[in-house]
Amino acid sequence: AQSVAQPEDQVNVAEGNPLTVKCTYSVSGNPYLFWYVQYPNRGLQFLLKYITGDNLVKGSYGFEAEFNKSQTSFHLKKPSALVSDSALYFCAVRDLGGGADGLTFGKGTHLIIQP
Amino acid sequence: DSGVTQTPKHLITATGQRVTLRCSPRSGDLSVYWYQQSLDQGLQFLIHYYNGEERAKGNILERFSAQQFPDLHSELNLSSLELGDSALYFCASSVVDVGGNEKLFFGSGTQLSVL
Repeated sequence: AQSVAQPEDQVNVAEGNPLTVKCTYSVSGNPYLFWYVQYPNRGLQFLLKYITGDNLVKGSYGFEAEFNKSQTSFHLKKPSALVSDSALYFCAVRDLGGGADGLTFGKGTHLIIQP
Repeated sequence: DSGVTQTPKHLITATGQRVTLRCSPRSGDLSVYWYQQSLDQGLQFLIHYYNGEERAKGNILERFSAQQFPDLHSELNLSSLELGDSALYFCASSVVDVGGNEKLFFGSGTQLSVL
């Protein structure tokens, strides 16, 4: 079985400061990891993904995520937060060796960027 | 705009009723996934269809069913509705890139309110 944990329901960051949204995962095989963002009244939008290769993955809107196999983590980061980054962020995992199951999502983290 | 269309955007109904949610995937996408998003359960995978055939089931209740039609649109049928079925229902279609990596594109969702 696969699972994702986002330990923080909400993260508050001042505009211009670096931000981190935490995610840990559990899969039986190799992980296929994603971050999605959801703005109010909108569907989820893809930010970035990790399959193999460099542990630091760059995505949309200046976001990046760092894969850490030993800590089974995939934290989302951005060097300098913008007020427009305020949204609900979901981490998701899929077992690369798995079948046709959909992604397993975390419960989401509300990111609030304060001006 | 993700290219995935869901109708209706909002649905208000009473307990015991039956509703149908519709999803049109992006042109050319063969896979459709259904997800339920609620405050307490987060985003949960319900079911996956590929080219008209059911591929995987997640946490989908027996009162719920889905199908994918020859034109690849999908419908999620929810019957004997209960208050706890109130949620945002998303569908997503997917594409597999040249590297064999799957990426999901989400619709804006149908907000179901059961009164």
